[in-house]
Amino acid sequence: SYVLTQPPSVSVAPGQTATIICGGNNIGSKSVHWYQQKPGQAPVVVVYEDSDRPSGISERFSGSSSGSTATLTITRVEAGDEADYYCQVWDSGSDHWVFGGGTRLTVL
Amino acid sequence: EVQLVESGGVLVQPGGSLKLSCAVSGFTLSGSGVHWVRQASGKGLEWVGRIRNKVHNYGTTYAPSVKGRFSISRDDSENMAYLQMSSLKTEDTAVYYCARPGGSEQWLMTWGQGTLVTVSS
Repeated sequence: SYVLTQPPSVSVAPGQTATIICGGNNIGSKSVHWYQQKPGQAPVVVVYEDSDRPSGISERFSGSSSGSTATLTITRVEAGDEADYYCQVWDSGSDHWVFGGGTRLTVL
Repeated sequence: EVQLVESGGVLVQPGGSLKLSCAVSGFTLSGSGVHWVRQASGKGLEWVGRIRNKVHNYGTTYAPSVKGRFSISRDDSENMAYLQMSSLKTEDTAVYYCARPGGSEQWLMTWGQGTLVTVSS
Protein backbone atom coordinates (compact mmCIF):
# COMPACT_ATOMS: atom_id res chain seq x y z
CA SER A 1 0.00 0.00 0.00
CA TYR A 2 1.08 3.57 -0.64
CA VAL A 3 2.72 5.36 2.27
CA LEU A 4 3.05 9.09 2.98
CA THR A 5 5.69 10.23 5.47
CA GLN A 6 5.60 13.53 7.37
CA PRO A 7 7.82 14.87 10.15
CA PRO A 8 5.97 14.75 13.48
CA SER A 9 6.63 18.38 14.28
CA VAL A 10 7.79 21.69 12.88
CA SER A 11 8.42 24.86 14.88
CA VAL A 12 8.63 28.38 13.56
CA ALA A 13 8.67 31.90 14.95
CA PRO A 14 5.83 34.32 14.13
CA GLY A 15 6.38 36.13 10.85
CA GLN A 16 8.71 33.45 9.53
CA THR A 17 8.04 30.80 6.88
CA ALA A 18 7.02 27.25 7.78
CA THR A 19 7.77 24.38 5.43
CA ILE A 20 6.04 21.04 5.94
CA ILE A 21 7.12 18.14 3.76
CA CYS A 22 5.34 14.98 2.72
CA GLY A 23 7.31 12.12 1.25
CA GLY A 24 6.02 9.33 -0.96
CA ASN A 25 7.19 7.14 -3.80
CA ASN A 26 7.00 9.28 -6.96
CA ILE A 27 4.51 11.56 -5.22
CA GLY A 28 5.14 14.13 -7.94
CA SER A 29 3.01 12.00 -10.26
CA LYS A 30 0.01 12.24 -7.96
CA SER A 31 -2.23 15.10 -6.85
CA VAL A 32 -1.44 16.09 -3.28
CA HIS A 33 -3.87 17.73 -0.91
CA TRP A 34 -3.26 19.38 2.47
CA TYR A 35 -5.54 19.70 5.48
CA GLN A 36 -5.30 21.84 8.60
CA GLN A 37 -6.80 20.53 11.82
CA LYS A 38 -7.03 22.57 15.00
CA PRO A 39 -7.74 20.94 18.37
CA GLY A 40 -11.30 19.72 18.71
CA GLN A 41 -12.18 20.66 15.13
CA ALA A 42 -12.71 18.83 11.88
CA PRO A 43 -10.00 19.05 9.21
CA VAL A 44 -10.15 21.86 6.66
CA VAL A 45 -8.53 21.67 3.24
CA VAL A 46 -5.97 24.44 2.75
CA VAL A 47 -4.39 23.29 -0.54
CA TYR A 48 -5.75 20.86 -3.10
CA GLU A 49 -4.37 19.37 -6.30
CA ASP A 50 -0.79 20.26 -5.35
CA SER A 51 -1.11 24.04 -5.34
CA ASP A 52 -4.71 25.27 -5.55
CA ARG A 53 -6.31 27.12 -2.66
CA PRO A 54 -10.01 26.92 -1.77
CA SER A 55 -11.84 30.18 -1.48
CA GLY A 56 -11.39 31.68 1.95
CA ILE A 57 -7.92 30.23 2.51
CA SER A 58 -5.17 32.78 2.96
CA GLU A 59 -2.69 33.24 0.12
CA ARG A 60 -0.02 32.65 2.73
CA PHE A 61 -0.67 28.94 2.19
CA SER A 62 0.89 27.38 -0.91
CA GLY A 63 1.86 23.95 -2.11
CA SER A 64 4.20 22.26 -4.53
CA SER A 65 5.14 18.73 -5.46
CA SER A 66 7.94 17.09 -7.39
CA GLY A 67 9.76 13.79 -7.40
CA SER A 68 9.34 12.10 -4.05
CA THR A 69 8.40 15.15 -1.99
CA ALA A 70 5.42 17.46 -1.67
CA THR A 71 5.65 20.68 0.30
CA LEU A 72 3.20 22.91 2.12
CA THR A 73 4.58 26.39 2.69
CA ILE A 74 3.08 28.89 5.09
CA THR A 75 4.54 32.39 4.85
CA ARG A 76 4.32 35.09 7.51
CA VAL A 77 3.24 32.53 10.08
CA GLU A 78 0.70 33.65 12.67
CA ALA A 79 -0.26 32.20 16.02
CA GLY A 80 -3.56 31.10 14.50
CA ASP A 81 -1.72 28.78 12.10
CA GLU A 82 -0.76 26.50 14.97
CA ALA A 83 -2.39 23.18 14.10
CA ASP A 84 -1.84 19.68 12.77
CA TYR A 85 -1.31 19.45 9.01
CA TYR A 86 -1.96 16.33 6.95
CA CYS A 87 -1.06 15.53 3.36
CA GLN A 88 -3.28 13.18 1.37
CA VAL A 89 -3.31 11.49 -2.01
CA TRP A 90 -5.54 9.11 -3.92
CA ASP A 91 -3.70 5.91 -4.76
CA SER A 92 -5.10 4.88 -8.13
CA GLY A 93 -3.58 1.43 -7.92
CA SER A 94 -5.64 0.45 -4.90
CA ASP A 95 -8.40 3.07 -5.24
CA HIS A 96 -7.65 4.07 -1.67
CA TRP A 97 -7.25 7.48 -0.12
CA VAL A 98 -4.07 7.80 1.92
CA PHE A 99 -3.16 10.31 4.63
CA GLY A 100 0.25 11.16 5.95
CA GLY A 101 0.83 10.79 9.68
CA GLY A 102 0.46 14.51 10.27
CA THR A 103 2.80 17.33 11.29
CA ARG A 104 2.17 19.50 14.32
CA LEU A 105 3.09 23.09 13.60
CA THR A 106 4.12 25.01 16.69
CA VAL A 107 4.40 28.79 16.55
CA LEU A 108 7.08 29.81 19.01
CA GLU B 1 -24.49 26.53 3.37
CA VAL B 2 -23.05 23.09 2.71
CA GLN B 3 -23.20 20.94 5.84
CA LEU B 4 -22.60 17.35 6.82
CA VAL B 5 -23.75 16.20 10.24
CA GLU B 6 -22.79 12.82 11.68
CA SER B 7 -24.75 11.03 14.37
CA GLY B 8 -25.04 7.65 16.02
CA GLY B 9 -21.77 7.41 17.88
CA VAL B 10 -22.10 5.60 21.22
CA LEU B 11 -20.35 3.18 23.54
CA VAL B 12 -20.54 -0.36 22.17
CA GLN B 13 -19.04 -3.64 23.30
CA PRO B 14 -16.36 -5.47 21.32
CA GLY B 15 -17.94 -7.70 18.72
CA GLY B 16 -20.98 -5.48 18.51
CA SER B 17 -22.48 -3.51 15.64
CA LEU B 18 -23.33 0.12 15.09
CA LYS B 19 -24.68 2.27 12.28
CA LEU B 20 -23.58 5.86 11.85
CA SER B 21 -25.54 8.41 9.87
CA CYS B 22 -24.42 11.42 7.86
CA ALA B 23 -27.07 14.02 7.03
CA VAL B 24 -26.16 16.43 4.26
CA SER B 25 -27.65 19.79 3.37
CA GLY B 26 -26.82 22.68 1.10
CA PHE B 27 -26.10 20.44 -1.88
CA THR B 28 -27.69 17.54 -3.72
CA LEU B 29 -26.25 14.31 -2.40
CA SER B 30 -27.18 12.37 -5.53
CA GLY B 31 -24.42 14.08 -7.50
CA SER B 32 -21.69 13.43 -4.97
CA GLY B 33 -19.66 10.68 -3.43
CA VAL B 34 -19.30 10.36 0.34
CA HIS B 35 -16.23 9.36 2.32
CA TRP B 36 -15.79 8.26 5.91
CA VAL B 37 -12.58 9.09 7.78
CA ARG B 38 -11.76 8.28 11.39
CA GLN B 39 -9.36 9.58 14.00
CA ALA B 40 -8.42 7.84 17.21
CA SER B 41 -7.73 10.09 20.17
CA GLY B 42 -4.35 11.77 19.77
CA LYS B 43 -3.72 10.02 16.45
CA GLY B 44 -3.79 10.94 12.79
CA LEU B 45 -6.49 10.71 10.16
CA GLU B 46 -7.35 7.29 8.74
CA TRP B 47 -9.44 6.91 5.61
CA VAL B 48 -12.19 4.31 6.13
CA GLY B 49 -13.99 4.11 2.81
CA ARG B 50 -16.18 5.80 0.24
CA ILE B 51 -19.31 5.34 -1.82
CA ARG B 52 -19.68 6.83 -5.27
CA ASN B 53 -22.83 8.28 -6.80
CA LYS B 54 -25.46 6.63 -8.99
CA VAL B 55 -23.61 7.47 -12.20
CA HIS B 56 -20.80 5.28 -10.89
CA ASN B 57 -23.16 2.56 -9.73
CA TYR B 58 -22.75 3.45 -6.06
CA GLY B 59 -19.36 1.75 -6.09
CA THR B 60 -17.68 1.30 -2.71
CA THR B 61 -14.06 0.96 -1.61
CA TYR B 62 -12.76 0.27 1.89
CA ALA B 63 -9.51 0.47 3.79
CA PRO B 64 -7.97 -2.95 4.51
CA SER B 65 -8.44 -2.43 8.26
CA VAL B 66 -12.24 -2.38 7.92
CA LYS B 67 -12.95 -4.33 4.73
CA GLY B 68 -15.43 -7.11 5.37
CA ARG B 69 -16.61 -5.54 8.63
CA PHE B 70 -17.78 -2.08 7.57
CA SER B 71 -20.26 -1.16 4.84
CA ILE B 72 -21.18 2.24 3.41
CA SER B 73 -24.63 2.95 1.98
CA ARG B 74 -26.71 5.95 1.02
CA ASP B 75 -30.27 7.18 0.55
CA ASP B 76 -30.21 10.03 -1.94
CA SER B 77 -33.92 10.69 -1.49
CA GLU B 78 -33.25 11.49 2.18
CA ASN B 79 -29.85 13.13 1.60
CA MET B 80 -28.32 10.59 3.97
CA ALA B 81 -25.24 8.39 3.98
CA TYR B 82 -24.49 5.60 6.42
CA LEU B 83 -21.60 3.62 7.83
CA GLN B 84 -22.59 0.18 9.09
CA MET B 85 -19.96 -1.23 11.41
CA SER B 86 -19.89 -4.81 12.65
CA SER B 87 -17.50 -7.10 14.51
CA LEU B 88 -16.24 -3.99 16.24
CA LYS B 89 -12.83 -4.03 17.88
CA THR B 90 -11.36 -1.80 20.56
CA GLU B 91 -9.07 -0.34 17.90
CA ASP B 92 -12.13 0.97 16.04
CA THR B 93 -12.57 3.53 18.83
CA ALA B 94 -12.36 6.92 17.13
CA VAL B 95 -14.15 10.04 15.99
CA TYR B 96 -15.77 9.24 12.65
CA TYR B 97 -16.15 11.97 10.05
CA CYS B 98 -18.14 11.93 6.84
CA ALA B 99 -16.85 14.13 4.05
CA ARG B 100 -17.78 15.35 0.60
CA PRO B 101 -15.15 15.07 -2.13
CA GLY B 102 -14.02 18.00 -4.22
CA GLY B 103 -14.33 18.41 -7.96
CA SER B 104 -11.76 15.84 -9.01
CA GLU B 105 -13.04 13.51 -6.27
CA GLN B 106 -9.44 13.05 -5.11
CA TRP B 107 -9.69 15.40 -2.12
CA LEU B 108 -12.17 16.09 0.64
CA MET B 109 -13.79 19.49 0.34
CA THR B 110 -16.25 19.55 3.21
CA TRP B 111 -16.21 17.62 6.48
CA GLY B 112 -18.75 17.04 9.20
CA GLN B 113 -17.97 17.71 12.86
CA GLY B 114 -17.56 14.02 13.67
CA THR B 115 -19.22 11.51 15.99
CA LEU B 116 -17.40 9.51 18.68
CA VAL B 117 -17.53 5.73 18.66
CA THR B 118 -16.15 3.97 21.72
CA VAL B 119 -15.64 0.22 21.64
CA SER B 120 -15.12 -1.08 25.14
CA SER B 121 -16.37 -3.69 27.56
